[in-house]
Amino acid sequence: GQNIDQPTEMTATEGAIVQINCTYQTSGFNGLFWYQQHAGEAPTFLSYNVLDGLEEKGRFSSFLSRSKGYSYLLLKELQMKDSASYLCAVLGGSYIPTFGRGTSLIVHP
Amino acid sequence: IAGITQAPTSQILAAGRRMTLRCTQDMRHNAMYWYRQDLGLGLRLIHYSNTAGTTGKGEVPDGYSVSRANTDDFPLTLASAVPSQTSVYFCASSVAENNEQFFGPGTRLTVL
Repeated sequence: GQNIDQPTEMTATEGAIVQINCTYQTSGFNGLFWYQQHAGEAPTFLSYNVLDGLEEKGRFSSFLSRSKGYSYLLLKELQMKDSASYLCAVLGGSYIPTFGRGTSLIVHP
Repeated sequence: IAGITQAPTSQILAAGRRMTLRCTQDMRHNAMYWYRQDLGLGLRLIHYSNTAGTTGKGEVPDGYSVSRANTDDFPLTLASAVPSQTSVYFCASSVAENNEQFFGPGTRLTVL
């Protein structure tokens, strides 16, 4: 089976940096996705990692360590609009996606 | 149509009734998915289809069925709804199973 863990909730200050961690145990591995979901809306794609290392995309970066079963999403220069849930999703060996329960990020002034 | 759509937006349903949630995409994506999202449980995969004509079971398939007669449409049917199926249902599609998913706006279903 698959097991994905991420913190339930985090808070941060506008302008700051926050790191959201995701650990996973899967049968096989074919990539890890991060999605953002604002309240009452559908998830939207942020990043995809399949090889070890850091992928940077503007204010958002995502890191993967396959040997440790670990990823993080780094958000820089936080804005109020970054308040949302952040979902970690892993593609296992069968290419079936499994989502974590999501991390609710609250950004305050 | 632009992207991926779902219908209805919301529905209140009596227990025991049959219901089909519709999902259509115009991006010619091969893979499509149905999820339910419940507070505290995150997104859970119900059924998926990697290409037209094929379907597979996800994490929580019981009580649901799907079909994939063509590339664009992927309906989800509840044969006899039960209150535990009260949830927000999201349909998603991707070019292939290892690509990013695009999500529809969701259907909020309440079973009484």
